[in-house]
Amino acid sequence: DIQMTQSPSSLSASVGDRVTITCRASQGISTSLAWFQQKPGKAPKSLIYAASSLQSGVPSKFSGSGSGTDFTLTISSLQPEDFATYYCQQYKSYPITFGPGTKVDIK
Amino acid sequence: EVQLVESGGGLVQPGGSLRLSCAASGFTFSDHYMDWVRQAPGKGLEWVGRSRDKGNTYTTEYAASVRGRFTISRDDSKNSVYLQMSSLKTEDTAMYYCGRDLRVPGGTTTDYWGQGALVIVSS
Repeated sequence: DIQMTQSPSSLSASVGDRVTITCRASQGISTSLAWFQQKPGKAPKSLIYAASSLQSGVPSKFSGSGSGTDFTLTISSLQPEDFATYYCQQYKSYPITFGPGTKVDIK
Repeated sequence: EVQLVESGGGLVQPGGSLRLSCAASGFTFSDHYMDWVRQAPGKGLEWVGRSRDKGNTYTTEYAASVRGRFTISRDDSKNSVYLQMSSLKTEDTAMYYCGRDLRVPGGTTTDYWGQGALVIVSS
C-alpha cells in the first residue's frame, strides 16, 4: 500500500497569511494526487486533482504542486472560511489512501 | 446540481449487518464510478471501496479492512449505490460517505460527496 504523510499535522495562522501544507507519498505516484477540505461536522469537499488542477468552483487562492512523492497545497491568503482540515489522497493504485490530515486553525 | 444522499445508518450490534444506500441525482449516474469512504469519530478519512461503471462490468475494489465483509453494489435504474456491511465490528463505527468519482489525468478520484450516514456498532 502507498502510505501518505502530511506536515504539519496542525498549524495556527492569521487571516491573510499564506499557508503551505506538504504531503508525501511512500512511493512515486506521478501526479495522481487530490486535496480535500473538511470542516467540522461536514462532508469533505474536493479542491484539487492531478496535483495542481482546481476542481470546478474552487477559488484560485488554492493551488497545488508537485509530482512523484512530494506535493504541496498552498492557500495564498487565508480567509475565515478556510479554517478546516485538509487531506491529501493518492489515487495512483489500490487501495486508495489518504493522508492523516492537517488542521488549520485561527491564531 | 449534483446531489448524493446516504441513508440506512444506525445502531447495530457487533456481528450484525446493515445496508447503506446512496441516492444520486443531478448527473448521469451510470457514467460514473462511485466510492465509499468512512471516518471514525475524531479520525481521518479512510477509503472503503469502489464500484466501477457498466462499461467496466461493475467491478469493485475494497480496502483490506473490509474485504470479505462489505459488498458494494449499484442499481443504475435507481441511480443508487449500496454498501452492504456484515460481520460488523466496533471499529467499523464511523460516518460513511458516498462519493461520485471523476476520471482525471492519472486515474479516478472523487469530486462530490454526500452528507454521510452514521453507523454505530455497539452492544
